Amino acid sequence: QSALTQPPSASGSPGQSVTISCTGTSTDVGAYNYVSWYQQHPGKAPKLMIYEVSKRPSGVPDRFSGSKSGNTASLTVSGLQAEDEADYYCNSYTGGNNPYVFGTGTKVTVL
Amino acid sequence: QVQLVQSGAEVKKPGASAKVSCKASGYTFTDNYVHWVRQAPGQGLEWMGLSNSNDGTIHYAQKFRGRVTMTRDTSISTTYMELSSLTSDDTAVYFCATETCSGNGCSKSFHYWGQGTLVTVSS
Repeated sequence: QSALTQPPSASGSPGQSVTISCTGTSTDVGAYNYVSWYQQHPGKAPKLMIYEVSKRPSGVPDRFSGSKSGNTASLTVSGLQAEDEADYYCNSYTGGNNPYVFGTGTKVTVL
Repeated sequence: QVQLVQSGAEVKKPGASAKVSCKASGYTFTDNYVHWVRQAPGQGLEWMGLSNSNDGTIHYAQKFRGRVTMTRDTSISTTYMELSSLTSDDTAVYFCATETCSGNGCSKSFHYWGQGTLVTVSS
């Protein structure tokens, strides 16, 4: 199972929006509504931001939103803030022999 | 609140095994699955496998089958991950994470994470 494809980097100024894509195949992202997104600051454990494509865990600001179209999922961060600068990883359930696959990761920079 | 506390950093020689523990608190241990994810220095996240805390069912990523063993001790709400035949490529931070399950099924995502355990493989 190959890693899901994410852009290596994305950036935006404070207050702007940034959208990160996560491209898979018809056997992972396209097959299930089990895409999740994780934020990771340097030296820290990942933090769940979005699960089941578009659901937010309690405590996650509504500036974070998720969506999916076909084999591509997206995470949008609206109203960028300095603390949003981090690495972001998507993950999809695949249902196969390797049932979970992560994306390659995207470094978000707040200019 | 849910907490996962992992064991401390380890340094191992090539060919040895490393065993990392993950102690859960703040929820009913047998309600959720525990996953293991690793991250090599400067690299991305890699899913290794999961343990069903209720019945002990295990599912390993194909890459690690034959080399990884995940076990649990329900009496102390702790899950273990042991990786054998270590090489320098196994130098990484190893994380445990829970998947929340309820009557409606499991979320297939990793809601709470341990702090990570650095395993360094060096001769």
